[in-house]
Amino acid sequence: AQSVTQLDSQVPVFEEAPVELRCNYSSSVSVYLFWYVQYPNQGLQLLLKYLSGSTLVESINGFEAEFNKSQTSFHLRKPSVHISDTAEYFCAVLNSGGYQKVTFGTGTKLQVIP
Amino acid sequence: DGGITQSPKYLFRKEGQNVTLSCEQNLNHDAMYWYRQDPGQGLRLIYYSQIVNDFQKGDIAEGYSVSREKKESFPLTVTSAQKNPTAFYLCASSPGTGTYIDTFGSGTRLTVV
Repeated sequence: AQSVTQLDSQVPVFEEAPVELRCNYSSSVSVYLFWYVQYPNQGLQLLLKYLSGSTLVESINGFEAEFNKSQTSFHLRKPSVHISDTAEYFCAVLNSGGYQKVTFGTGTKLQVIP
Repeated sequence: DGGITQSPKYLFRKEGQNVTLSCEQNLNHDAMYWYRQDPGQGLRLIYYSQIVNDFQKGDIAEGYSVSREKKESFPLTVTSAQKNPTAFYLCASSPGTGTYIDTFGSGTRLTVV
């Protein structure tokens, strides 16, 4: 079985400050990892993904996440946040191979303060 | 542009009524999913379908039913047996089972009145 833990339900941060949203996973096999973003009253959008290769993955809007196998983590970071980054962020895991389903974390609300 | 269309965006249900939420995709994806979202609980899987005319229960299927008669369509019925149906419902799709979800619909907010 696979699981995802997002310990922080809310993260307030001032505009232009750096932010890290934490994600830890549990799985007995190799995994694929994802971050999704959800703006109010909308569906989720895939922000970035780790499938294989480089452990550092980046999105087009300045977010990055690093897959750390030894710590079973996939934290999301941005060096300088904007007001428009205010949203809820979900980490997700999928066991590689076989007929598995994606498991989502409980989400972290990022509130950027002007 | 390809994507998922969910309708209606807002839906109100009286006690004891069945209601059906629509989900249509034009991505040619084989797998489709229904999730329920409640504040602080993340996304919980209701049903999923890997192929036409086949579907499986997710983690919280009680009080819900689905059909998959066409590849493009995966409607969800919230029955009167679902005791707490007020929630935000999200439809999603992926190319096939075991692949990651790359597309979500914009959701339907269901409220019991």
